[in-house]
Amino acid sequence: GEDVEQSLFLSVREGDSSVINCTYTDSSSTYLYWYKQEPGAGLQLLTYIFSNMDMKQDQRLTVLLNKKDKHLSLRIADTQTGDSAIYFCAEGDYGGATNKLIFGTGTLLAVQP
Amino acid sequence: DAGVTQSPTHLIKTRGQHVTLRCSPISGHKSVSWYQQVLGQGPQFIFQYYEKEERGRGNFPDRFSARQFPNYSSELNVNALLLGDSALYLCASSLGFAGGGTEQFFGPGTRLTVL
Repeated sequence: GEDVEQSLFLSVREGDSSVINCTYTDSSSTYLYWYKQEPGAGLQLLTYIFSNMDMKQDQRLTVLLNKKDKHLSLRIADTQTGDSAIYFCAEGDYGGATNKLIFGTGTLLAVQP
Repeated sequence: DAGVTQSPTHLIKTRGQHVTLRCSPISGHKSVSWYQQVLGQGPQFIFQYYEKEERGRGNFPDRFSARQFPNYSSELNVNALLLGDSALYLCASSLGFAGGGTEQFFGPGTRLTVL
């Protein structure tokens, strides 16, 4: 079955690094995504990784993919108070006639000044 | 360039009524998907349309329907509203359907409250 799991909450101090973890079950996923949602807003695409990669870096963001363990992580360097939000991991399901995103429950990141 | 736009922003309905939500994709994008996000949960896939044809449907009852217009904008319709339909309804657009260009960009959502 399709399932994406994340820890619910992470608290860090401003300037520290944050690491948000995610596990997924669909081994056929081609792309894995990280989205950010601020209160009352839609989802902002932060970054994504193709399943044949094990790492992708984009400015302060580093995505690590362990395909064997179906584990995905997002590292935010030098975390700022503006990074406080809910972060969703999503796997792209391109099987059958559709391509849909399967989301985790989200991780609330709280950045303490 | 404008991102994905949705209307209305907020909506309050009563049980049994029906509602129509609207979405305009990013210019040049031909695929529109709809998601439902209940408070405290991740978004759940409802529908995907590509080139005006339904390409996928999630596990939602027949009270939910959608369509895509020739200009690629889309409507989501929900009939016989239930309290449990209260949620943030998100629209996402993507350039293509498979392979490259499948990144989905989301609009701000429509907050539906059913009383």
